[in-house]
Amino acid sequence: KQEVTQIPAALSVPEGENLVLNCSFTDSAIYNLQWFRQDPGKGLTSLLLIQSSQREQTSGRLNASLDKSSGRSTLYIAASQPGDSATYLCAVDSGAGSYQLTFGKGTKLSVIP
Amino acid sequence: DTGVSQDPRHKITKRGQNVTFRCDPISEHNRLYWYRQTLGQGPEFLTYFQNEAQLEKSRLLSDRFSAERPKGSFSTLEIQRTEQGDSAMYLCASSHTSRTSGGQAYNEQFFGPGTRLTVL
Repeated sequence: KQEVTQIPAALSVPEGENLVLNCSFTDSAIYNLQWFRQDPGKGLTSLLLIQSSQREQTSGRLNASLDKSSGRSTLYIAASQPGDSATYLCAVDSGAGSYQLTFGKGTKLSVIP
Repeated sequence: DTGVSQDPRHKITKRGQNVTFRCDPISEHNRLYWYRQTLGQGPEFLTYFQNEAQLEKSRLLSDRFSAERPKGSFSTLEIQRTEQGDSAMYLCASSHTSRTSGGQAYNEQFFGPGTRLTVL
């Protein structure tokens, strides 16, 4: 059974800092991995999807990496802004005909002005 | 592309009542998913449709829960005889198989705003 862990559970940084969020998963046989953002009481916004054959994916100030063999992914946020404050969730699609996502509990990010 | 929509956004009900939620996926998406999220947790998979066929159900989906996607478009999730433990955010997502410029397939899920259920 796939399990996804995100560390840290919460992170507070001053505006302008670069930061890294971590995600680990127990079964390396994955189809793809998605990073999401969730604002309080809202749905999920897809940020980046990394396919199993990829090592990294970039979108603006965000860069996600994937190391399947070690069961790890990181989300790097450059030059953080107060508007980045949200919970960031990592989710793994283990494929094999099942498209369900297995989520971590998320990292709650606060960017202090 | 208007995104995934869900209705209602909030529902308060008394224990024992039945509730039904609706999800409208992105129009060209053939896959539709339901997830449940409780406070401080990540979403947990409930069920998945490909077109009108329900292909997978989680053990979390007790016999009080039923989901349909009658014409392969919108979906409904019904909870019968609600319990306080059913209080959660119910999230719907949709997807279809996309391909990179190199021809590799991938399946990106897009989520709706959720329906927050409170059972008193």
